[in-house]
Amino acid sequence: ETAVFQTPNYHVTQVGNEVSFNCKQTLGHDTMYWYKQDSKKLLKIMFSYNNKQLIVNETVPRRFSPQSSDKAHLNLRIKSVEPEDSAVYLCASSAGLGVYEQYFGPGTRLTVL
Amino acid sequence: GQQVKQSSPSLTVQEGGILILNCDYENDMFDYFAWYKKYPDNSPTLLISVRSNVDKREDGRFTVFLNKSGKHFSLHITASQPEDTAVYLCAAGHGGNNKLTFGQGTVLSVIP
Repeated sequence: ETAVFQTPNYHVTQVGNEVSFNCKQTLGHDTMYWYKQDSKKLLKIMFSYNNKQLIVNETVPRRFSPQSSDKAHLNLRIKSVEPEDSAVYLCASSAGLGVYEQYFGPGTRLTVL
Repeated sequence: GQQVKQSSPSLTVQEGGILILNCDYENDMFDYFAWYKKYPDNSPTLLISVRSNVDKREDGRFTVFLNKSGKHFSLHITASQPEDTAVYLCAAGHGGNNKLTFGQGTVLSVIP
C-alpha cells in the first residue's frame, strides 16, 4: 500500500515531557511536510524537507525539531511540551519541489495535560 | 493576519442543488490555488486545483474559478450529493518551496 503513515495516532502527556512523532511515506516522493491543526481547525505549515534538506521553517518555538533520516521519513520531536502544543499534527508529502499536490497522513492527536 | 480566508464557516444545501464555496487571499504572489476535502477523522485530500495562468478548471461536478485581480477563488459544486458532506479547505501557494497556506475551512452539509 502506498500512502503516508503516521505513528502514534494519539498521545497524551504531561507538560514538560518530550514527545516524538513518526511519519513515513511510501509514495516515492521527495518532499515532506509537518502541519499543525489547532483547536480552530486551522492547518498551518511548520516545516518541510526536500530530499532530507530543510526548505521551509516557519516561526515555531525552538522546542520543535524535525528530523529526516531519508526522503521517505520525517519525524517531529517536541522537547518540553506546553499546553498550547495540544493539537493534531499532520504529515504530508508531495512528489517534489514545484509539485504542490500534497498527500496527507491520518494525523497524530497530541493532548498535553 | 490570516493570508487565506474562507468567508463561510458552514453551509447547508439540499441534495441536487448548486453551491459555491469562497476563498479570499492577501498575497498576490500566490500562483497555485487548491481545494481540499476532509471527512471527519480523516486527512485532507486534494479535490481540484488550478495554476494562476488559467481562470477556470472543471472536473466533473467540481469547478474552480480564479479571480486574480480580486484575490479570490471559488469552488462550485453542481448536483450536490450527501457524500459531498465534509469540510472544504482552500489553500494557496507560491514559489518553489511548495508551501501551502490553508483557509480555516467551510463545513458543508448536503441534506437528502
